[in-house]
Amino acid sequence: SYELTQPPSVSVSPGQTASITCSGHKLGDEYVCWYQQKPGQSPVLVIYQDNKRPSGIPERFSGSNSGNTATLTISGTQAMDEADYYCQAWDSSTEVFGGGTKLTVL
Amino acid sequence: EVQLVESGGGLVQPGGSLRLSCAASGFTFSNYWMSWVRQAPGKGLEWVASIKQDGSEKYFVDSVKGRFTISRDNAKNSLYLQMNSLRAEDTAVYYCAREGGSSTPPLMGMDVWGQGTTVTVSS
Repeated sequence: SYELTQPPSVSVSPGQTASITCSGHKLGDEYVCWYQQKPGQSPVLVIYQDNKRPSGIPERFSGSNSGNTATLTISGTQAMDEADYYCQAWDSSTEVFGGGTKLTVL
Repeated sequence: EVQLVESGGGLVQPGGSLRLSCAASGFTFSNYWMSWVRQAPGKGLEWVASIKQDGSEKYFVDSVKGRFTISRDNAKNSLYLQMNSLRAEDTAVYYCAREGGSSTPPLMGMDVWGQGTTVTVSS
């Protein structure tokens, strides 16, 4: 079965740029989405189709996808961005989530 | 307001059954793929199942195939997950989610989520 691999944790200082990666075989051939989940809350879609932002998502969130790796980039990271982030893609007729990355804003 | 509200969770013994419901409002339910996603305590998100707008296509994660059924009633704006032969590893918060876009499969992400309903499988 298809697998998406994320680093368990990423740390960033406020105002700096955070990058969270998601790796999978030929992932660049698929569309990738990213979700943010804060403790006790439901997930929120922050990026779809590799690099598109839903309405209401701040411009500091961006995405890219090429080769075997997709990346979520948060520019000018704020304390409110501290959360778990999950990548997701379709593989044939199944949806797959990455294991999640805990972003800590120190 | 676009909203999804899950219900039907609870405590069930191993081998038992449970039916989850998701009531949709604020959008044209019949235009969207719908999915169930679960999250075990302290763990990550796991996709469970998805169903096409008219119910003609249904997809499941391997671990629930043959045990879970997904269905929808577009007249009632409702999504369902029938869970049979439940196991301890099915213990999780179950989320109902709307899939953005109308393609097959939908490729615009899960853009609306419910608050989740908790399923606990234990004796």
